[in-house]
Amino acid sequence: QQQVKQSPQSLIVQKGGISIINCAYENTAFDYFPWYQQFPGKGPALLIAIRPDVSEKKEGRFTISFNKSAKQFSLHIMDSQPGDSATYFCAASIRRGGADGLTFGKGTHLIIQP
Amino acid sequence: AAGVIQSPRHLIKEKRETATLKCYPIPRHDTVYWYQQGPGQDPQFLISFYEKMQSDKGSIPDRFSAQQFSDYHSELNMSSLELGDSALYFCASSLDRFNEQFFGPGTRLTVL
Repeated sequence: QQQVKQSPQSLIVQKGGISIINCAYENTAFDYFPWYQQFPGKGPALLIAIRPDVSEKKEGRFTISFNKSAKQFSLHIMDSQPGDSATYFCAASIRRGGADGLTFGKGTHLIIQP
Repeated sequence: AAGVIQSPRHLIKEKRETATLKCYPIPRHDTVYWYQQGPGQDPQFLISFYEKMQSDKGSIPDRFSAQQFSDYHSELNMSSLELGDSALYFCASSLDRFNEQFFGPGTRLTVL
């Protein structure tokens, strides 16, 4: 049972467009939601993260929108560039005693066409 | 900026052999996490350590064990290797146990 459901599985966007990736969760105990970018053969790189007390967070071209009542959050990549082509993972964790493991979504393979 | 260091980067083992993966966290980071990522899969959390004590535990097989040492580096020990253990193994570190996790480049383990 996938605790964090991510969609779409793959996405093609034209250069300069907006890429939107969505995630949904069931466990209301989740209280930390990061997004990671991963290139083939490389480790995931943290892009941006949000906690449930805010509805939106923006860093450069990347924005997280968070809807606590719907238990959904999404990543928006503005002015998408070919260099953004990668796999994107949403994740979530529950704050217990600290050093809490992340639960990842299945990933979205994003292709930005020039 | 300094990043997480993992060694070796590639490792080939036979079935039933043992393997040891090492992780050196970012300087001043005291928390380490281990993840396993199969081909085309999402990373799966295995185990974490804070101040040399096991903190959280995920889907780590009983054949695997790990520890964190006084210099905060960590080692993942894998015994009785199976074909299904072939995967990328990532270590991540964080500046104390409530901060963001930063991943290393991974160790690619191939079990033949």
